[in-house]
Amino acid sequence: AQKITQTQPGMFVQEKEAVTLDCTYDTSDPSYGLFWYKQPSSGEMIFLIYQGSYDQQNATEGRYSLNFQKARKSANLVISASQLGDSAMYFCAMREAPYNQGGKLIFGQGTELSVKP
Amino acid sequence: EAGVVQSPRYKIIEKKQPVAFWCNPISGHNTLYWYRQNLGQGPELLIRYENEEAVDDSQLPKDRFSAERLKGVDSTLKIQPAELGDSAVYLCASSALGGIGLLATNEKLFFGSGTQLSVL
Repeated sequence: AQKITQTQPGMFVQEKEAVTLDCTYDTSDPSYGLFWYKQPSSGEMIFLIYQGSYDQQNATEGRYSLNFQKARKSANLVISASQLGDSAMYFCAMREAPYNQGGKLIFGQGTELSVKP
Repeated sequence: EAGVVQSPRYKIIEKKQPVAFWCNPISGHNTLYWYRQNLGQGPELLIRYENEEAVDDSQLPKDRFSAERLKGVDSTLKIQPAELGDSAVYLCASSALGGIGLLATNEKLFFGSGTQLSVL
């Protein structure tokens, strides 16, 4: 069964506007972590933001925020004031606890974001 | 501070040939991962090391893939012989946390730029 689902293969956004990238996940474990990574054309995966399942508030990191809706099992990434350099693939990922019992980082299939000038 | 270093950046080989990838993690990071990323998909874990011990190799195709991290620092991933379906990007990552029993759900991975393998 797919653990992480990203339903948007590609997204376009106008420069300086906000954009939301969708991510839903599936787990029965009460303890888990959710991550977003950015992969530009250079290939490196860049960590953007983390949300723990017990965190009461939505995570924020600069222009990135995570819209965490636990009951709906969704962890959407919001990028405010898009910049041309935001054009890249974006991956949602999840880790279940405890790590040593198979809680590896599982990635979704990604969303390709293109920012238009 | 240097990031995760991988080499080579690109590799083109013919099927049935051997190939090796090298990774040097961030200094001080005891946990090292090898991921494979097929075109248009997210990365999938092949193997995880804590220091020199492979603690999760359940998804490593052991008939043709091998990996080592002899001194608990840099690591080599080998494929012998390579098949057409092995064409992918091989990503190495490292992290500072780890250890049996730790509930490290917030463990952040730092990735290298990957090795893009093309098997002809």
